[in-house]
Amino acid sequence: AQSVTQPDIHITVSEGASLELRCNYSYGATPYLFWYVQSPGQGLQLLLKYFSGDTLVQGIKGFEAEFKRSQSSFNLRKPSVHWSDAAEYFCAVGRPWNNNAGNMLTFGGGTRLMVKP
Amino acid sequence: ETGVTQTPRHLVMGMTNKKSLKCEQHLGHNAMYWYKQSAKKPLELMFVYNFKEQTENNSVPSRFSPECPNSSHLFLHLHTLQPEDSALYLCASSQTAGVGDTQYFGPGTRLTVL
Repeated sequence: AQSVTQPDIHITVSEGASLELRCNYSYGATPYLFWYVQSPGQGLQLLLKYFSGDTLVQGIKGFEAEFKRSQSSFNLRKPSVHWSDAAEYFCAVGRPWNNNAGNMLTFGGGTRLMVKP
Repeated sequence: ETGVTQTPRHLVMGMTNKKSLKCEQHLGHNAMYWYKQSAKKPLELMFVYNFKEQTENNSVPSRFSPECPNSSHLFLHLHTLQPEDSALYLCASSQTAGVGDTQYFGPGTRLTVL
């Protein structure tokens, strides 16, 4: 069975500092990997996704993530955090389901990011 | 993402009530999903609909009953719920149910069962 682990439940960084959120996955085949962000009271918004090709993926809002197969990781990074980045971040693995009839996303537990002024 | 709307945004109900959650997507997608987000557990997939057909029920209790009358609308009918069903219920849609298709989420309905 696939699983996704986000080891850090909470992270606090100062505004302007760099950020790295960790994500480790367990999946037998080539994974489809996603990062979503959830602001308070809102649904999830896709930041970026990786399917194949270049292992460094650029997303919206200045985020990027790097797929490292040898480490089963897909860490999210941002060089300079803004106060508006405070939110909860979810890593997810997608896989075909029910003979390709469905698309199942397995989510990690999330990392809550707080930004200090 | 404003392409997926959910109503109501907040719902309080007793264990004997019957209520329904509504989801509408304005993106022309063909697949729709219900997820449950509890405080202590990762986001859980509940149901998947692809071209109005339910393709999977992820071991969800029968007190949750989905309905998909067309590709744009998805309902979750609730009856005889338990307090542990209190959670944020998120609807999502994607172009198809293919594994590479991005899922777009609505803002959710915050459900409290008394």
